[in-house]
Amino acid sequence: EDKVVQSPLSLVVHEGDTVTLNCSYEVTNFRSLLWYKQEKKAPTFLFMLTSSGIEKKSGRLSSILDKKELFSILNITATQTGDSAIYLCAGAGGTSYGKLTFGQGTILTVHP
Amino acid sequence: EPEVTQTPSHQVTQMGQEVILRCVPISNHLYFYWYRQILGQKVEFLVSFYNNEISEKSEIFDDQFSVERPDGSNFTLKIRSTKLEDSAMYFCASSIPGQGKTEAFFGQGTRLTVV
Repeated sequence: EDKVVQSPLSLVVHEGDTVTLNCSYEVTNFRSLLWYKQEKKAPTFLFMLTSSGIEKKSGRLSSILDKKELFSILNITATQTGDSAIYLCAGAGGTSYGKLTFGQGTILTVHP
Repeated sequence: EPEVTQTPSHQVTQMGQEVILRCVPISNHLYFYWYRQILGQKVEFLVSFYNNEISEKSEIFDDQFSVERPDGSNFTLKIRSTKLEDSAMYFCASSIPGQGKTEAFFGQGTRLTVV
């Protein structure tokens, strides 16, 4: 059975702090690792990683994949209150494109 | 920016009733999915749909569930006889198939409450 595990489950920081969110995965026919941000409702896409060692960056967010260790991290630098959300990691695999196995999420709370 | 749209945003139904959740995927996408999230739990894959047929489904997607693409734009999830444990947020998603393009874009969800 495919499995994605995230840590920590929750994190409370102050504005300006840097955070690192972790994701380990075991996904059959693994194709890619995706990060989503979930605020009130729908998960919104952040990154898709397919190759080891290549950092993806978008503003203050960055992510990297280690396919040997089956692990990914999401870094957020200079956190802002608007970064408060649930961050979801998902492994894409299986027989159909886009079948995602999600982790339980990391709840990030950024205090002013 | 194109987006996946879902209706209704919230549906309350009595146990045993049939419900149909509706989705309009992004227009040039060819893979469609349903996921659900029970309150406080993980987002779970239900089914994927491509070329007018189910391409993969999870154990959750039993005979009570069915999907359909009745026309060129809508994608529906039907639950034939709802149970209390079907109460959840149901997300529709769509993607473009092809190497390196597996990211799924999600709709805002339909919150289904079975009473």
